[in-house]
Amino acid sequence: TQLLEQSPQFLSIQEGENLTVYCNSSSVFSSLQWYRQEPGEGPVLLVTVVTGGEVKKLKRLTFQFGDARKDSSLHITAAQPGDTGLYLCAGEFYNFNKFYFGSGTKLNVKP
Amino acid sequence: KAGVTQTPRYLIKTRGQQVTLSCSPISGHRSVSWYQQTPGQGLQFLFEYFSETQRNKGNFPGRFSGRQFSNSRSEMNVSTLELGDSALYLCASSFSGWGSGNEQFFGPGTRLTVL
Repeated sequence: TQLLEQSPQFLSIQEGENLTVYCNSSSVFSSLQWYRQEPGEGPVLLVTVVTGGEVKKLKRLTFQFGDARKDSSLHITAAQPGDTGLYLCAGEFYNFNKFYFGSGTKLNVKP
Repeated sequence: KAGVTQTPRYLIKTRGQQVTLSCSPISGHRSVSWYQQTPGQGLQFLFEYFSETQRNKGNFPGRFSGRQFSNSRSEMNVSTLELGDSALYLCASSFSGWGSGNEQFFGPGTRLTVL
């Protein structure tokens, strides 16, 4: 059983469409990060959320942290081909001194 | 500020051999974590070093080991390589390691292929 569930696993959409990626756990996150990874490269940090209910925006990307700090979402508005990549959420949990990664969402935005 | 660097970027070994991978963290960062990434298992935590001490360890066999030097550079060693060790090995550095809101910065990874 994964400590951290990410969905969907794959997403293929047309340029201009909106999408949402989800990250859930049955445990409370002390903090959560979203990363984007391109093939052959390391993940690049997009955002860190810490406070329940927090919303952060990064251009066309909106990140939400659930009030109970057990879930998070990443919403992309008007997706572009440059958004193509693997999106990973990673969380720290209270009493677990390590980072856990979700399995990732592979996003393909077609022109 | 230079980012996290990893060497080598690509490596091909045969079963039974051993390999050493190197990671140089961002200047001033004292925590270095190592991860293994495979298509089937995703990103899995190997271990974390902070001030030359292993602070956390994932669920990997003892063939996987590491160390950290006084300048925070870290090396990871895998002995008696198996085919299943083929993966992208990533290291990540952070200022103080685990803690609420702490940010990790990843290197580009070392692609290890075991034949």
